[in-house]
Amino acid sequence: AQKITQTQPGMFVQEKEAVTLDCTYDTSDQSYGLFWYKQPSSGEMIFLIYQGSYDEQNATEGRYSLNFQKARKSANLVISASQLGDSAMYFCAMRDPSGTGGFKTIFGAGTRLFVKA
Amino acid sequence: DTGVSQDPRHKITKRGQNVTFRCDPISEHNRLYWYRQTLGQGPEFLTYFQNEAQLEKSRLLSDRFSAERPKGSFSTLEIQRTEQGDSAMYLCASSNVRDSLTDTQYFGPGTRLTVL
Repeated sequence: AQKITQTQPGMFVQEKEAVTLDCTYDTSDQSYGLFWYKQPSSGEMIFLIYQGSYDEQNATEGRYSLNFQKARKSANLVISASQLGDSAMYFCAMRDPSGTGGFKTIFGAGTRLFVKA
Repeated sequence: DTGVSQDPRHKITKRGQNVTFRCDPISEHNRLYWYRQTLGQGPEFLTYFQNEAQLEKSRLLSDRFSAERPKGSFSTLEIQRTEQGDSAMYLCASSNVRDSLTDTQYFGPGTRLTVL
């Protein structure tokens, strides 16, 4: 069974500094997709970034980049130049084929990020 | 392009009552998903539709839960005879089958259910 592990329940970062949120995953599939979502206190899950298992380059989206190390089965999120608005829960997730053509997403337990002024 | 919407945003009910939630996906998205999120946890998959067909249900979805997507557009999730353990955030997401490479799911704001 596929599994996502996020070992950091909470992280603090100073405004304008970079921060890395850890994520490891377990799967026996050769083809898979990894996601990061942000969940502010309002509750909505906001899609941040996607990495496919066959992508040769690490994914980047603005201030977000994904440090993908396939052999180590890790997919860490790097946020550069942190802003106060980055304070939120961050979830690492994996696409899990449902067997009926679609995919469900399995999530880690999340990391709460606090950005200090 | 409007995002996924959910109604209501908050629901407080007494144990034993029935509740129904609605989700309107992004207009061109034909896949729709329901997840449940309890405090301090990541969301857990409940069920998913492609168009009007319900293709998968989690074992988390007990007989008291039923979901429909009658015309392949909006979906409803009904919980009968609610229990205190049903208190959670219920999240809806949608995706486009043409985006099969990533199947990125876009989430709504959620419905927070409190069962007293």
